[in-house]
Amino acid sequence: DAKTTQPPSMDCAEGRAANLPCNHSTISGNEYVYWYRQIHSQGPQYIIHGLKNNETNEMASLIITEDRKSSTLILPHATLRDTAVYYCIVRVLGGFKTIFGAGTRLFVKA
Amino acid sequence: SQTIHQWPATLVQPVGSPLSLECTVEGTSNPNLYWYRQAAGRGLQLLFYSVGIGQISSEVPQNLSASRPQDRQFILSSKKLLLSDSGFYLCAWSEGGADTQYFGPGTRLTVL
Repeated sequence: DAKTTQPPSMDCAEGRAANLPCNHSTISGNEYVYWYRQIHSQGPQYIIHGLKNNETNEMASLIITEDRKSSTLILPHATLRDTAVYYCIVRVLGGFKTIFGAGTRLFVKA
Repeated sequence: SQTIHQWPATLVQPVGSPLSLECTVEGTSNPNLYWYRQAAGRGLQLLFYSVGIGQISSEVPQNLSASRPQDRQFILSSKKLLLSDSGFYLCAWSEGGADTQYFGPGTRLTVL
């Protein structure tokens, strides 16, 4: 599975959009981009995933560049409860091994 | 809807003692099951996964073992704990053929 690179931390004002970047320059054509988040002392929570097209659900939007070498997770209106570590992962559909890196620690401030 | 349970939530054990952590999933059949460990301030490390009863794959050689005695039950064990076994242990499941993993609340293990 390809590795990902994320900034270690980011700040965001409450009510504003949080844009979390992820680089995955060695991604293969059959690898999906997944995002999870982990609030302190809890298990990771699935957010969204995609292959090529941009995706949106009730939690967030995922923007994948045309060359698929990077992506951005967008939380449209961040709240204090969105403060968490966000993990960007790439993996083959049906593969078992999921490599979680250090992620991005997002601080949402009032 | 599906739910995943882990217990205990926290555990303090002396070095050399045995370990048994349990994970159960409700609301689905034949799930893929996973055990992860997270050291303090670090990412998650996949320890074991299982695609069916009695089928266990190990990702990292270590002091731990896993078993799946029932379809929706996954157990993580050790005969003798080491200090380095301390960490946050997470169980996860995914539907067979699908890929999104859903995590349990975790067990925080401290080995003294």
